[in-house]
Amino acid sequence: AQKITQTQPGMFVQEKEAVTLDCTYDTSDPSYGLFWYKQPSSGEMIFLIYQGSYDQQNATEGRYSLNFQKARKSANLVISASQLGDSAMYFCAMREGIGGGFKTIFGAGTRLFVKA
Amino acid sequence: EAGVAQSPRYKIIEKRQSVAFWCNPISGHATLYWYQQILGQGPKLLIQFQNNGVVDDSQLPKDRFSAERLKGVDSTLKIQPAKLEDSAVYLCASSYPVEGGDEQFFGPGTRLTVL
Repeated sequence: AQKITQTQPGMFVQEKEAVTLDCTYDTSDPSYGLFWYKQPSSGEMIFLIYQGSYDQQNATEGRYSLNFQKARKSANLVISASQLGDSAMYFCAMREGIGGGFKTIFGAGTRLFVKA
Repeated sequence: EAGVAQSPRYKIIEKRQSVAFWCNPISGHATLYWYQQILGQGPKLLIQFQNNGVVDDSQLPKDRFSAERLKGVDSTLKIQPAKLEDSAVYLCASSYPVEGGDEQFFGPGTRLTVL
């Protein structure tokens, strides 16, 4: 079974509009973390935002916010006021416990295209 | 603060040859990760080190892949012998474990092409 599911292979958004990128996850670990990373065409992975499973409030970082719905096991990324530079691949990832440590699993990604 | 360094950036080899990648994590980061990212897919964890001990290598094809992290700092990932399906970007990342989210910092990656 997929641990991290990103159902949108590609998304288009008009510049200055908001966009939501979907992510659902599956874990039996009560303590876990959810991350979003951005990967531009240059290839580097850039950390955007983190949400802990026990966090009461949704995480926000500038124009990025994470819509965390624990009961639905979803952690959607919302980008407000899209910019042309937001065009990139976006990966959702989950960190869960394994033995005495942690393991991070990435989804397949969503490619975002921002139109001028 | 210097980021995660990787070398080489690009490598082209023929199948059945050997190749090695090097990674220098951010100073002070105890956890080091090697990921394989095949074109069009998300990164897949190959191996995770905590200092110089292995935390997880369940997805490392141990018949051909090996990795070590001597002295808990630099790390090398080796493929011997390479197969066509090993063509991918190999990403190294490091993190400093903190309560909650230990953000991973990624290097630029090594793009491997196996012919």
